Amino acid sequence: QKEVEQNSGPLSVPEGAIASLNCTYSDRGSQSFFWYRQYSGKSPELIMFIYSNGDKEDGRFTAQLNKASQYVSLLIRDSQPSDSATYLCAVNRGNNRLAFGKGNQVVVIP
Amino acid sequence: DTEVTQTPKHLVMGMTNKKSLKCEQHMGHRAMYWYKQKAKKPPELMFVYSYEKLSINESVPSRFSPECPNSSLLNLHLHALQPEDSALYLCASSQDMTSGMSGANVLTFGAGSRLTVL
Repeated sequence: QKEVEQNSGPLSVPEGAIASLNCTYSDRGSQSFFWYRQYSGKSPELIMFIYSNGDKEDGRFTAQLNKASQYVSLLIRDSQPSDSATYLCAVNRGNNRLAFGKGNQVVVIP
Repeated sequence: DTEVTQTPKHLVMGMTNKKSLKCEQHMGHRAMYWYKQKAKKPPELMFVYSYEKLSINESVPSRFSPECPNSSLLNLHLHALQPEDSALYLCASSQDMTSGMSGANVLTFGAGSRLTVL
């Protein structure tokens, strides 16, 4: 089992809709979790970080963490064409060593 | 200033060349990182410096040599690279390496240096 799995293929959503991304992780002891957005040819930029079970909201973005089920998700509300990017889930393996999932490509269709 | 600056943005080198990638941050962060990202793959950790000392080396080949001259600068020296080393090299920094829940461990990435080895 991979440390961090993002299994969904490219996600196409209409403008204004909700995009939902999921990520599972294998190390039950992981404490901190991150969502990064990466535009093609650019570097990752932080969207959200979450440490506690439950929801964390920041503008149009909501991260959800369920440590018992070992998954973390990201919701993007009112999706905009500028949200079209690859979204990387990252899990702290300890000593701040991040393990990244392979990413989910999101395409927002105007 | 909330940026991590990397130079050069692009680098082409032959397998016998010696070159260096540079990274600078002025956020007062005490942990700095090198990641490697190949096309359509996630970033992979290479090295971590904490308080200017090498803390983590993820079994990186010796043809990659990191250096941290001071708390603001991080270099990656390159020698005798192979074409398969062609990738985007990302520098990142964080306040420190704690795994706590204060946000101090959030990584800020630079724009990257795209390396092509011929």
